[in-house]
Amino acid sequence: AQKITQTQPGMFVQEKEAVTLDCTYDTSDPSYGLFWYKQPSSGEMIFLIYQGSYDQQNATEGRYSLNFQKARKSANLVISASQLGDSAMYFCAMREPKGNQFYFGTGTSLTVIP
Amino acid sequence: DAGITQSPRHKVTETGTPVTLRCHQTENHRYMYWYRQDPGHGLRLIHYSYGVKDTDKGEVSDGYSVSRSKTEDFLLTLESATSSQTSVYFCAISQGSYNEQFFGPGTRLTVL
Repeated sequence: AQKITQTQPGMFVQEKEAVTLDCTYDTSDPSYGLFWYKQPSSGEMIFLIYQGSYDQQNATEGRYSLNFQKARKSANLVISASQLGDSAMYFCAMREPKGNQFYFGTGTSLTVIP
Repeated sequence: DAGITQSPRHKVTETGTPVTLRCHQTENHRYMYWYRQDPGHGLRLIHYSYGVKDTDKGEVSDGYSVSRSKTEDFLLTLESATSSQTSVYFCAISQGSYNEQFFGPGTRLTVL
């Protein structure tokens, strides 16, 4: 079974609008971490936001927030007030305690339209 | 932030030849990782290391071996490269407040 599932290969959003990128995860471990990364066309991987499995509140980081629904095993990324520079690939990832291993989804390509 | 360098940054090789990619970090981080990135597959873990001479397999380890004889260096070897190993290879370490992955710049490998 896939550990991380991103069902949206591509998304479009109008500049200044909000957009939600979906991510579901699968683990039986009660302790895990959830991450989102951005990969612009230049290729570098940029860490955006983190949510711990025991965190009660949704994580926020500037225009990024993580909509964490533990019972549904979902960790959607919300980008508010989209900017042209947000156009990139976005990857959801999960860390499990064993070996500090990370599992990544297949990514969502976001295009911001002026 | 830890400095992570990867060498070479680009390589073209022929099927059947051995290839070694190097990852170098400057801040003595314990965990180091090798991923490959392919369209439609995201990043997949090849091998990781949790200390000098301590390594373990990831999701897609077949055809790859690794070595870590010094804390700062993590080598990925393709003993006999195949065209299916054409990919972008990323090295990463765990660092920061959340032990997040911090990635190197990547190596683009083409196997003809």
